Amino acid sequence: GDSVTQMEGPVTLSEEAFLTINCTYTATGYPSLFWYVQYPGEGLQLLLKATKADDKGSNKGFEATYRKETTSFHLEKGSVQVSDSAVYFCALSMSGSEKLVFGKGMKLTVNP
Amino acid sequence: GAGVSQSPSNKVTEKGKDVELRCDPISGHTALYWYRQRLGQGLEFLIYFQGNSAPDKSGLPSDRFSAERTGESVSTLTIQRTQQEDSAVYLCASAYTDTQYFGPGTRLTVL
Repeated sequence: GDSVTQMEGPVTLSEEAFLTINCTYTATGYPSLFWYVQYPGEGLQLLLKATKADDKGSNKGFEATYRKETTSFHLEKGSVQVSDSAVYFCALSMSGSEKLVFGKGMKLTVNP
Repeated sequence: GAGVSQSPSNKVTEKGKDVELRCDPISGHTALYWYRQRLGQGLEFLIYFQGNSAPDKSGLPSDRFSAERTGESVSTLTIQRTQQEDSAVYLCASAYTDTQYFGPGTRLTVL
């Protein structure tokens, strides 16, 4: 079946460090890809998405590019802040309005 | 506008009891989903409602789990004869297009 594999962490970085969270997927067809974030004490919220190959999603300084050839959707940010401390989930959806298939999530802590 | 709301926020129950969890989706969202997040694990899909179509129940882990939705509004997830392994955060999401909006979840603890 469809699946998502992502770095699990936990990861601790210093403020202004570069962040990469790897995410790869297995799917029959061409899924939509998502990054969701869960800040401490808050609900899950969409960070960014991409719906077709070579699309780049971006939000709050985070970026991810849909790479069909490597079945990947790695999340990057050039300079993390303490406020980016959260759990990050990579996910896919097969036909837009279908269920999300999530990776296991990665906890990021950013220290000042 | 109002987001997805869920109630109760926390529920503690004894093994063998039935529980009902409620989800109020965003108005106008035709799709509604239930997921489960067990400690240290990712989110697991449980069930999906889309308009008046038959729900996709493929993620329900056993026949103790069931869910209903009234039209395009409220949904309830019912767990009968709860077991300790049912302890988790139960998340509801609603959508109009391909972006799902999540509620804050109900934390269920089965003693």
